[in-house]
Amino acid sequence: EAGVTQSPTHLIKTRGQQATLRCSPISGHTSVYWYQQALGLGLQFLLWYDEGEERNRGNFPPRFSGRQFPNYSSELNVNALELEDSALYLCASSLRQGVKMYEQYFGPGTRLTVT
Amino acid sequence: GQSLEQPSEVTAVEGAIVQINCTYQTSGFYGLSWYQQHDGGAPTFLSYNALDGLEETGRFSSFLSRSDSYGYLLLQELQMKDSASYFCAVVDAGNMLTFGGGTRLMVKP
Repeated sequence: EAGVTQSPTHLIKTRGQQATLRCSPISGHTSVYWYQQALGLGLQFLLWYDEGEERNRGNFPPRFSGRQFPNYSSELNVNALELEDSALYLCASSLRQGVKMYEQYFGPGTRLTVT
Repeated sequence: GQSLEQPSEVTAVEGAIVQINCTYQTSGFYGLSWYQQHDGGAPTFLSYNALDGLEETGRFSSFLSRSDSYGYLLLQELQMKDSASYFCAVVDAGNMLTFGGGTRLMVKP
């Protein structure tokens, strides 16, 4: 069974640009979560999608947005990039909403560097 | 809101037992999860406690006391490969996972 995949592995952008990060969940998982992990720190929750709908978002500005496609893959968009957006962005998937959501499977992450 | 506290770093020797504590303050608490993350790797799920008591999975055990808002991860027969960061995460009524800052475990020979 294939795990959660993310692309690209690394992304380098300049301040003010936009970044698009992609995630494909494990087959059969409908919930997709996005987290930001700054170097050496914990995971900060960004967004949660299930069945194509945004279910919750963390304490991040509106320039962080995303969507989930009919095949349950997801995209995270970060507009007007700032230097402090440099971090590892992790995508995770779990079974559908309300079912073992505490057991999330993470992808390898996208390392975003803003210069 | 949610807040979790866990030690930033723990050091132990190979073969020993180590306990990583986690205290939390949260509304609508459902349970406590633990994740392991090796340097450069993705977090991986270790355990989940919804009820008070000890859950054992091989060399790893996790404990929860809801009345004390406290849990711990117990690692026995430590191996070098256990060197990693360990995160506790609270599951709340909104079906959300809120992660602690992580504990970096260093296992020495």
